[in-house]
Amino acid sequence: ETGVTQTPRHLVMGMTNKKSLKCEQHLGHNAMYWYKQSAKKPLELMFVYNFKEQTENNSVPSRFSPECPNSSHLFLHLHTLQPEDSALYLCASSQVGGTGVGNEQFFGPGTRLTVL
Amino acid sequence: AQSVTQLDSHVSVSEGTPVLLRCNYSSSYSPSLFWYVQHPNKGLQLLLKYTSAATLVKGINGFEAEFKKSETSFHLTKPSAHMSDAAEYFCVVSDLWGAGNNRKLIWGLGTSLAVNP
Repeated sequence: ETGVTQTPRHLVMGMTNKKSLKCEQHLGHNAMYWYKQSAKKPLELMFVYNFKEQTENNSVPSRFSPECPNSSHLFLHLHTLQPEDSALYLCASSQVGGTGVGNEQFFGPGTRLTVL
Repeated sequence: AQSVTQLDSHVSVSEGTPVLLRCNYSSSYSPSLFWYVQHPNKGLQLLLKYTSAATLVKGINGFEAEFKKSETSFHLTKPSAHMSDAAEYFCVVSDLWGAGNNRKLIWGLGTSLAVNP
């Protein structure tokens, strides 16, 4: 596997279910991100992990719970979601620090989530 | 605060004709700028980036972008469109955050490019 992988690619869940999204990066980066992509809206940054420490939480509801056990893996635990949470959830990684040049992020294919 | 504006939500061109996707930004710092592409049901792929080196940046698949500080623009161009270029394109400016040189990405709303045969 190369780059950033995400599983599952598609997920349908009821409002009372608990599920988890998984992301893995094979690029040796030290930062990982969760984004939410909804139609007609800018990409929304949800969480940032830098060296496994959460450094940003953009006022995300507590029904979304991130977990970063190491610098290569990132999870997003979901419980009691709402229909408006249906979206494409994207994981990304980057190398931060050092010269700071570029800092482009590399994205996984996303998980298409539908909440019924 | 930094921001990015993509001037067209939808662009339609004929195959073989030039592509122009417009992007303006505001930045208090010396910005880094990116263009990403997203094909249907795919993740985001980096097309090209500007990081204060040459103002004309060449990317993948024949795309280019020119950084014009006086116009605060970073328009994406391609001389000849191909059917496979049909996708959503995002202009992104990076913003310094936290300690050191960490950067947060500020995203435009995207431009949908259609290529007609």
